[in-house]
Amino acid sequence: QKEVEQNSGPLSVPEGAIASLNCTYSDRGSQSFFWYRQYSGKSPELIMSIYSNGDKEDGRFTAQLNKASQYVSLLIRDSQPSDSATYLCAVGGNAGNMLTFGGGTRLMVKP
Amino acid sequence: DTGVSQNPRHKITKRGQNVTFRCDPISEHNRLYWYRQTLGQGPEFLTYFQNEAQLEKSRLLSDRFSAERPKGSFSTLEIQRTEQGDSAMYLCASSPRTRLYGYTFGSGTRLTVV
Repeated sequence: QKEVEQNSGPLSVPEGAIASLNCTYSDRGSQSFFWYRQYSGKSPELIMSIYSNGDKEDGRFTAQLNKASQYVSLLIRDSQPSDSATYLCAVGGNAGNMLTFGGGTRLMVKP
Repeated sequence: DTGVSQNPRHKITKRGQNVTFRCDPISEHNRLYWYRQTLGQGPEFLTYFQNEAQLEKSRLLSDRFSAERPKGSFSTLEIQRTEQGDSAMYLCASSPRTRLYGYTFGSGTRLTVV
């Protein structure tokens, strides 16, 4: 069983819609959670971090964390074609020294 | 540009040759990480340095792989006797404190073994 799981997609949404990306993790002791965006052929770029249960909003992005269910999500409001990319969920364990990445979800926003 | 710098950007090598990649982290960051990413997969952890000390190594890092970070500054990743399965994007990342800040990635080095 993978430590961090994501649906590989592609997730296709129309422009202006809300895109919802999900991630589950297996290590109950995980302390930090990150979402990275990766365009094709480029390296991952950090877009959100969250550490405590609940929601965290930054512009059009909202990260949601539920430690009891071991579940992290990313909502992208008013999706734009430029949001089309692979979104990687990354989880930091107890030691906090390294991140474990999921396989990523490919998002396609259609004009 | 004060981001994470990786060289070369692309490397094509023949099977059996040795290759070396370089990473220059953000200067204030004492933690440096190497990851490998193949097409359609997420990054996989290879190794981690805090300053000059190599603190963790993945079982993915066979004895053909070696990494160094002399003086806690830049780092090199060497692959000896390359195999076709080594073809991947090699990503370097740095962080001041991973738990709070996550990583900043470099642009990566794409290795193709022919």
